[in-house]
Amino acid sequence: EPEVTQTPSHQVTQMGQEVILRCVPISNHLYFYWYRQILGQKVEFLVSFYNNEISEKSEIFDDQFSVERPDGSNFTLKIRSTKLEDSAMYFCASSGRPRGTFNEKLFFGSGTQLSVL
Amino acid sequence: EDQVTQSPEALRLQEGESSSLNCSYTVSGLRGLFWYRQDPGKGPEFLFTLYSAGEEKEKERLKATLTKKESFLHITAPKPEDSATYLCAVRAQGNTPLVFGKGTRLSVIA
Repeated sequence: EPEVTQTPSHQVTQMGQEVILRCVPISNHLYFYWYRQILGQKVEFLVSFYNNEISEKSEIFDDQFSVERPDGSNFTLKIRSTKLEDSAMYFCASSGRPRGTFNEKLFFGSGTQLSVL
Repeated sequence: EDQVTQSPEALRLQEGESSSLNCSYTVSGLRGLFWYRQDPGKGPEFLFTLYSAGEEKEKERLKATLTKKESFLHITAPKPEDSATYLCAVRAQGNTPLVFGKGTRLSVIA
C-alpha cells in the first residue's frame, strides 16, 4: 500500500538553528499538510499546500516556518530559527481529494521527532 | 471555537471484553468526523469518516456511529493488537482544518 515517507525519523538541534524536515507524499496526491504533536497534547494543524502555494495556515505557522515543494516528489517544512517550544513530533500528510470532499482521506507519515536543546 | 473531547483518556480491557470510546464535539456545521488509530511513534492511520447523524461504519472489530453531538467507536471482542491510541477529529463548515481530540489510549490485555 502506498505510504507517506518522512525523514529523518529523529532530529536533534540546538536552539536558533535551522532545520528542514522532509516528506515524500503519496505519488498521485495533490494536497499536502503538516501537523505537529507536542508530547501529551493534541495533533495540531500547521499548514496546507496545494498547487505550489499555501492554501491555509494556523497561528502556529509564523514567519519562522516555511514550506516548499522543490521537485515533483518532496515536500519540506523549514524552521528558520528553532525555539525550545518547537520540540514536537511533526507529521506530514497527503490526500488525493480536496479538503472537505466526500470520501476524503488524509494519509499521515510516521513523523519526525524534533528535539530542540 | 470548534472543540473535540474524547473519553475516557485511557481504557484497559481484557481480550474479548467489548467496550466503546466516546468523542463529543462542538462545531459550527459538521462536514465530517474522522476516526484514526495511532500506534506509539507512528502517524495517525485513517479508520473511518462519518458525515451525518445516524451513519455507521464498520471495519473488522470496530464500528463507528455518529449523532448530532457525539460519535462512538465500539470495539467488539478486542484483541491485544487493537491496543493503540484512537483519535477523533472533526472538520467544520468552510472546510476548516481537522481539529483533533486528545485521544483514548486503549490497552487490551491477553
